[in-house]
Amino acid sequence: EIVLTQSPGTLSLSPGERATLSCRASQSVSSSYLAWYQQKPGQAPRLLIYRASSRATGIPDRFSGSGSGTDFTLTISRLEPEDFAVYYCQQYGSSPLTFGGGTKVEIK
Amino acid sequence: EVRLVQSGAEVKKPGESLRISCRGSGYSFTTYWIGWVRQMPGKGLEWMGIIYPGDSDAKYSPSFQGQVTISADKSLSTAYLQWSSLKASDTAMYYCARPGERRRLNDAFDIWGQGTMVTVSS
Repeated sequence: EIVLTQSPGTLSLSPGERATLSCRASQSVSSSYLAWYQQKPGQAPRLLIYRASSRATGIPDRFSGSGSGTDFTLTISRLEPEDFAVYYCQQYGSSPLTFGGGTKVEIK
Repeated sequence: EVRLVQSGAEVKKPGESLRISCRGSGYSFTTYWIGWVRQMPGKGLEWMGIIYPGDSDAKYSPSFQGQVTISADKSLSTAYLQWSSLKASDTAMYYCARPGERRRLNDAFDIWGQGTMVTVSS
């Protein structure tokens, strides 16, 4: 089973700042099958990024993903008020599919 | 519109059985896998397993194998998650979710149900 470790656990930033979230895998993620999700309180997760760097439909271009192998990054170029949420990475290249523990982006 | 609509919240006692559902609409239900994800209170997401409604091929995370059963009724466009004997530790929100590409198990979940809260308490 591939274990995904996200860091930091919490990121305290102000609107307009840049957010950089990390997701590290215990072994290489096949074909860069790595996704990022956003979850707000009381809501289901929403897909942001798939295949490590492709934005899902309707996702603003301030969200970008990068990385390959075992190291992946989600960048939010300029935080908007609606971006404060919890973010999860997921690998879907190997069964069982697994999620990281999440990074909370909170308002400083 | 593509949608997954889940059954309502449940409150059960330890030892009871339960089946929750997830109905798909707006797409060809039998040609997309449907997965189940657990979220315990205040915690992260856990992939439980997935089923292909076309032939009911189901795969489980080792953490959930033998603890739950995933099934589907293609005539009702509905997937199910069931327990034969609930424990307090099964208290969680359960989401169903659909991968983005037809017939692909290995794909990100682009459609999510609204979640079903299951509370197990004596």
